[in-house]
Order: sequence, then structure tokens, then C-alpha cells
Amino acid sequence: DAGVTQSPTHLIKTRGQQVTLRCSPISGHKSVSWYQQVLGQGPQFIFQYYEKEERGRGNFPDRFSARQFPNYSSELNVNALLLGDSALYLCASSRRPPGTGDYEQYFGPGTRLTVT
Amino acid sequence: GIQVEQSPPDLILQEGANSTLRCNFSDSVNNLQWFHQNPWGQLINLFYIPSGTKQNGRLSATTVATERYSLLYISSSQTTDSGVYFCAAEMNSNYQLIWGAGTKLIIKP
Repeated sequence: DAGVTQSPTHLIKTRGQQVTLRCSPISGHKSVSWYQQVLGQGPQFIFQYYEKEERGRGNFPDRFSARQFPNYSSELNVNALLLGDSALYLCASSRRPPGTGDYEQYFGPGTRLTVT
Repeated sequence: GIQVEQSPPDLILQEGANSTLRCNFSDSVNNLQWFHQNPWGQLINLFYIPSGTKQNGRLSATTVATERYSLLYISSSQTTDSGVYFCAAEMNSNYQLIWGAGTKLIIKP
């Protein structure tokens, strides 16, 4: 089976622009989570979706939004980009949401976003 | 607040050496995962281990949930083991996945 896929791999944007990142989970996985990883730090949780519903949100501004589609793929949108949004954006999928005892997460290769 | 702490932050070893990485968590957990992040940023699952001991080749992990810690053992290190090792704990209190800051491991040939 294919693993978690993300697109694009790399992206360069200018301050103030908007960006959309995409993620396709492992087949059979219904939960998708998004993380931001700044160089030298661990991943920071942004959103978690299960069955197209938002189940969790991290401490990120409203400029960040996401959605999950009927085929369980997901998009992360970031508006009004700031220099500080430059990071590796990671998507993870799991069969079930947190709290179910079946929340083993599998990560995609990430999208490296650079804001200039 | 809820915390996940990893030690040591950095570790430099010669090829063939053994190592133990530690992850302490401040609250009870639903699950705990260990990951290896390679130099290209890919996070690779190592273990999903809310409690007990698991082994996979040269790697093994033990989580003692009652004492709130987990250990990752790497035996006979190889240069390909280099990278950053993260633990992430799903807390019982809010089901959020909390990440440690990682242990950066360098294996010298």
C-alpha cells in the first residue's frame, strides 16, 4: 500500500500570499492530522480531522484552516503568510482518532514552505 | 502544563556502540510513539508502545506507564541510525499528541 502522500514537496511564497497544502492518507485511514515543524524543534500540532470533522485544533491563529474531503484526503490553507510561517508542514494519518486506543500515526514526507 | 521531555538532547557515538534514549511524560498517556526523523525530514515510525516492551531488530522500546517514562534502546549502532529521535505521547486528559524536543544522534564511522 502507498504511504501518506503530500504535495507539493517544496513551495516558495511571498509575505501576504495564501498557500494550500495537500495530503492523501494511507488507504483505510480516516484520520488526518497536520503539524508544523520549525527547524530544530519537534512538530507542533495544528489540526486533527476524523470523518471530515475537525476533532482538534492546536494553538495557531485563524489564518490557518483545514478541511477533509469524503475520500479522507485533506487540505491545509494558510492565509496572509508571514516570514515565521516558513517551516516543514507534515501530514499524518491513522485509522482512528485520538482517544480510541488506535491512534498510531504515519507521516508523509512533508511540504517545505519558504516565505520570503 | 503537560510536558514530554527527552534526554539526552544530543548524543555522539562510534559505530557499533549501544545507546539508551529516554522520554519522560508528566501525565498518564493513552499511547506513546517513537519516531526517527532522517536528514530529509521524513518521520519514520519505530514503535507504538503505550506500555510494555517491543523489539524490532536492533531496536527495542520499553514504556513504564505507571512511572511515566519510555526508553528506546539502539544496539550495535550504524551510521544510518543518525538523525533525530522523537517521542510523542497521547495524553489521557485531552487526547492531544504532545511531542518531545528530540534527541539528535550522530553515529561516527
